[in-house]
Amino acid sequence: GENVEQHPSTLSVQEGDSAVIKCTYSDSASNYFPWYKQELGKRPQLIIDIRSNVGEKKDQRIAVTLNKTAKHFSLHITETQPEDSAVYFCAVSGNQFYFGTGTSLTVIP
Amino acid sequence: GAVVSQHPSRVICKSGTSVKIECRSLDFQATTMFWYRQFPKQSLMLMATSNEGSKATYEQGVEKDKFLINHASLTLSTLTVTSAHPEDSSFYICSAEKNRGFHEQYFGPGTRLTVT
Repeated sequence: GENVEQHPSTLSVQEGDSAVIKCTYSDSASNYFPWYKQELGKRPQLIIDIRSNVGEKKDQRIAVTLNKTAKHFSLHITETQPEDSAVYFCAVSGNQFYFGTGTSLTVIP
Repeated sequence: GAVVSQHPSRVICKSGTSVKIECRSLDFQATTMFWYRQFPKQSLMLMATSNEGSKATYEQGVEKDKFLINHASLTLSTLTVTSAHPEDSSFYICSAEKNRGFHEQYFGPGTRLTVT
């Protein structure tokens, strides 16, 4: 099966700085890579996704990059704000859907 | 849109009783729905994949006779926790796949189950 690793598990940044979270996967057949943001006690919200035929996708302060050869993809958040504080999960989908272990991001005002 | 509702949001039940959780896709039809369990500060653990009109596919280690899943229509899937025990206390979240084969999942708000 798929093996999804996510790093770091916790991340603290100063407001205005950038945050980067990385995920690696093992199944070369995986072709869909979403990122979810989950606030405490709430549902995961899809914030950005990328498919295997694209290397990079950007949506305002959020971007995702994909390196299919190396089997890793990353979430980039620029100009971080306190409301970006949450747990972020990557996921990998091919034949099945697998979540990463999560990254707890804290943006310090 | 892609809105998924889940009911109830919180439930407290006694050991030995059964609890039913409903998951509905409100503005789209979902041929596939998923049930997850989440422990505090942990990732989502897939319990089962629910396909409309057929039996659910359970992940390894998940007891199908304890966690009954029914997907009777394209907008409704239910999870029944039978003979609940305190160790079943958890946050249960459903999700629905909006476009078959395109993989995007949209999540319900979750159900906090506490078994006393």
